[in-house]
Amino acid sequence: GAGVSQSPRYKVAKRGQDVALRCDPISGHVSLFWYQQALGQGPEFLTYFQNEAQLDKSGLPSDRFFAERPEGSVSTLKIQRTQQEDSAVYLCASSSIWDGGEQYFGPGTRLTVT
Amino acid sequence: AQTVTQSQPEMSVQEAETVTLSCTYDTSESDYYLFWYKQPPSRQMILVIRQEAYKQQNATENRFSVNFQKAAKSFSLKISDSQLGDAAMYFCAYKMDGNKLVFGAGTILRVKS
Repeated sequence: GAGVSQSPRYKVAKRGQDVALRCDPISGHVSLFWYQQALGQGPEFLTYFQNEAQLDKSGLPSDRFFAERPEGSVSTLKIQRTQQEDSAVYLCASSSIWDGGEQYFGPGTRLTVT
Repeated sequence: AQTVTQSQPEMSVQEAETVTLSCTYDTSESDYYLFWYKQPPSRQMILVIRQEAYKQQNATENRFSVNFQKAAKSFSLKISDSQLGDAAMYFCAYKMDGNKLVFGAGTILRVKS
C-alpha cells in the first residue's frame, strides 16, 4: 500500500476499557506523528517518533495514553481505562526527512467511549 | 508557543467563483513551513499547498494559491474556479522543521451549484 493505514477505522469502547490503535506508515518514512481530532476541531498533536525513538510526547493528555514504535515502523497508540472525553478521531501521519517535512495522513480511527 | 488562527468558521462560494480563506499565526521563529490541508467529510486529510517561510514567492498549485505576508504573519488560501469537489474543511497549519504540526480550528467551505 502506498499510503498511511490505520486500524481499526472505528472503535466503540465502554468506559474503563483499554484500547489499542494501530498505524502503518508509508514504507521508509522515518517520522511518525499521532494527533487527536475532536469533532469539528483541528487536530491536536499527541506524540512524535523518529524511527523507534519517541522524541516528543508533550501532547499526551494523561498517563493513560501510551505510544510505541518498537521497530521504527508500525506504531500503536494505547489508551488505558478509557473515559468519555477520549472520544475523538485519532490521526496518524508519517513523513520522510527529505521532502520538506510534508506529513501524509491516514484515514484515522474514530473512537467512541460509551 | 506557536498558535494558528482561522477566523472564518464557514465560507460559501458559488461554483466557478473565487474564494479566499484567512489564516494568521504567531511565532518567534524565522524559518518554518506553512500548510493548507483539506479534509472532506469522513475522508482523510490531504495536503493542498505548502509554503516555506524563507521563500518570498507565493506558492501556487493549479487553482490554489497563497498570499503569504511574513511580516504580518498572514497566510491566506485563494481557490479559483471553485468546484463542487472543493467542498471540505480546510485547515491552516504551521510547522517548524522536523516537528509537529500546529493546526487552526478550520474553515468549512461550501460550494453552491
